[in-house]
Amino acid sequence: AQTVTQSQPEMSVQEAETVTLSCTYDTSESNYYLFWYKQPPSRQMILVIRQEAYKQQNATENRFSVNFQKAAKSFSLKISDSQLGDTAMYFCARPGGGGADGLTFGKGTHLIIQP
Amino acid sequence: GAGVSQSPSNKVTEKGKDVELRCDPISGHTALYWYRQSLGQGLEFLIYFQGNSAPDKSGLPSDRFSAERTGGSVSTLTIQRTQQEDSAVYLCASSLDLGGFNEQYFGPGTRLTVT
Repeated sequence: AQTVTQSQPEMSVQEAETVTLSCTYDTSESNYYLFWYKQPPSRQMILVIRQEAYKQQNATENRFSVNFQKAAKSFSLKISDSQLGDTAMYFCARPGGGGADGLTFGKGTHLIIQP
Repeated sequence: GAGVSQSPSNKVTEKGKDVELRCDPISGHTALYWYRQSLGQGLEFLIYFQGNSAPDKSGLPSDRFSAERTGGSVSTLTIQRTQQEDSAVYLCASSLDLGGFNEQYFGPGTRLTVT
């Protein structure tokens, strides 16, 4: 079974600080996609950022960036200048967990931004 | 445009009763996915549709679970003879097409409580 591992169940940082959430995964494929999703208390899953494995350049979206280490199968999310609205569960995910492109998710990291 | 909608938002049912959960995907999205989110199991992929077809039903937890999609649009997830372990949030997502690069857009979920 393909797995996605997030080793930090919960993290707490002060507003405006930078925080990094870790994720590792397994795969036998050479090209694939990786995702970070955010789930606030409203339960709405929102795509934060996406990375294509064949692209060596790390994806960035405003304050969000990834550190993608293909050989190590590591895909961490960095949030810069954290804001109160970043408080949420964050899930790392990749397709292939079942059926065509059904996502396999990690257990999630509960990120708390303190004022 | 409108996002993915799900109804009901919350459902409380007695053990042994049948329930139907509904998902309205984004218009024009051919792929639709169902997931289950529970405290014990995290986020699990259940089933996907390409158009009205669900080629792989192996992710459904038991034969009490079934899903259908009609007109390439609305999907219903039916749970027969509900059990307490079915209590979870059921999330639906849609994407423009199959393919790991396609972003999955999630609905707000249905929280099912079996008493």
